[in-house]
Amino acid sequence: KQEVTQIPAALSVPEGENLVLNCSFTDSAIYNLQWFRQDPGKGLTSLLLIQSSQREQTSGRLNASLDKSSGRSTLYIAASQPGDSATYLCAVNYNQGGKLIFGQGTELSVKP
Amino acid sequence: GAVVSQHPSWVICKSGTSVKIECRSLDFQATTMFWYRQFPKQSLMLMATSNEGSKATYEQGVEKDKFLINHASLTLSTLTVTSAHPEDSSFYICSARDPGRGGYTFGSGTRLTVV
Repeated sequence: KQEVTQIPAALSVPEGENLVLNCSFTDSAIYNLQWFRQDPGKGLTSLLLIQSSQREQTSGRLNASLDKSSGRSTLYIAASQPGDSATYLCAVNYNQGGKLIFGQGTELSVKP
Repeated sequence: GAVVSQHPSWVICKSGTSVKIECRSLDFQATTMFWYRQFPKQSLMLMATSNEGSKATYEQGVEKDKFLINHASLTLSTLTVTSAHPEDSSFYICSARDPGRGGYTFGSGTRLTVV
């Protein structure tokens, strides 16, 4: 069964800290992996998309890595800010145009 | 990037009535759209895959007659919750594949409350 797991479920850090969110998947034959952010009561905002042939993607203070062999991806957030507080979701796609399989999310709180 | 517009953002309806939620792809065509349901503090649960011009594909355990999906054009998919009951109250989100950048783009979601 294809499953995606995210740890930790919740994380609280002081402003300015660098942090890492983890995502693991049971089937390593992925097509791509996508990280999303969700604010309370809102839809999902795409942060980074990593194709199966890539090892990392960067956007501003965000860096996502992918290690297919170990079935893991990490989202690194540098110099965290209170505005980064949200739930971060990892989703794996096994076929182009196919459905996403989501992790349970990590709820991040950055304290001023 | 591609934008998916979802309406309404919230709706309150009486038990027994039907509610329609629209999902539109702006500036791009989406032959396939996905409908998700999300309970508080939980992740997204895929309900069905909407295919333009053909029947939707429902996930196991999702009632086809309760959640009617219509994908009549390349830019519009609708989800109708029929004979809604309080247990149907939830957050519903649609998504489509972003043809330009790959990956998926999501609507802003619809908060349905059945009273």
